[in-house]
Amino acid sequence: GESVGLHLPTLSVQEGDNSIINCAYSNSASDYFIWYKQESGKGPQFIIDIRSNMDKRQGQRVTVLLNKTVKHLSLQIAATQPGDSAVYFCAEDEGGKLIFGQGTTLQVKP
Amino acid sequence: DAGVTQSPTHLIKTRGQQVTLRCSPKSGHDTVSWYQQALGQGPQFIFQYYEEEERQRGNFPDRFSGHQFPNYSSELNVNALLLGDSALYLCASSKDLSQETQYFGPGTRLLVL
Repeated sequence: GESVGLHLPTLSVQEGDNSIINCAYSNSASDYFIWYKQESGKGPQFIIDIRSNMDKRQGQRVTVLLNKTVKHLSLQIAATQPGDSAVYFCAEDEGGKLIFGQGTTLQVKP
Repeated sequence: DAGVTQSPTHLIKTRGQQVTLRCSPKSGHDTVSWYQQALGQGPQFIFQYYEEEERQRGNFPDRFSGHQFPNYSSELNVNALLLGDSALYLCASSKDLSQETQYFGPGTRLLVL
């Protein structure tokens, strides 16, 4: 069925620490996944994506890991900064239709 | 390079009224998708437009309709508004139909009283 879930609704980290946000998906046929960041009052902002032929992809301070065996995605943010505070969504692309999870709120403590 | 733009930013309507929201896609994009995001939830797919036709539709009633123009901009229309239609309406654009990154606009916040 259509279901993308995040493991934790809220994650609180100390500034400078690494953050890991997890996501489980249910459609084993999905082959494109995206992480978005949404700040209060704004639209979702693209962070990084990954296709099913890869298991890891790196960007600037962010890394996405894909484990197809257990249908699990994670977003790692290195050296978390106050500006990283936001709601993070993973999304599964089903033929152009994005299926979003509930989101994880990342709180960065100074 | 202009990103996705939406208008208006905020809107207040009463039950039973009709509303039209507008979206201009990112430069070079030809596909527009609309999403509804209730407070505290993830966005829910409404429908997608490509080549001026609705190509996919999510689980939304016929009160929700749309249009895409030759310049790829799009409108979302909602008739007979209900209180439950209060939400942030997001437009996303991409190149081609699927499996390409969708970029979101800032959204239109609709409040139905």
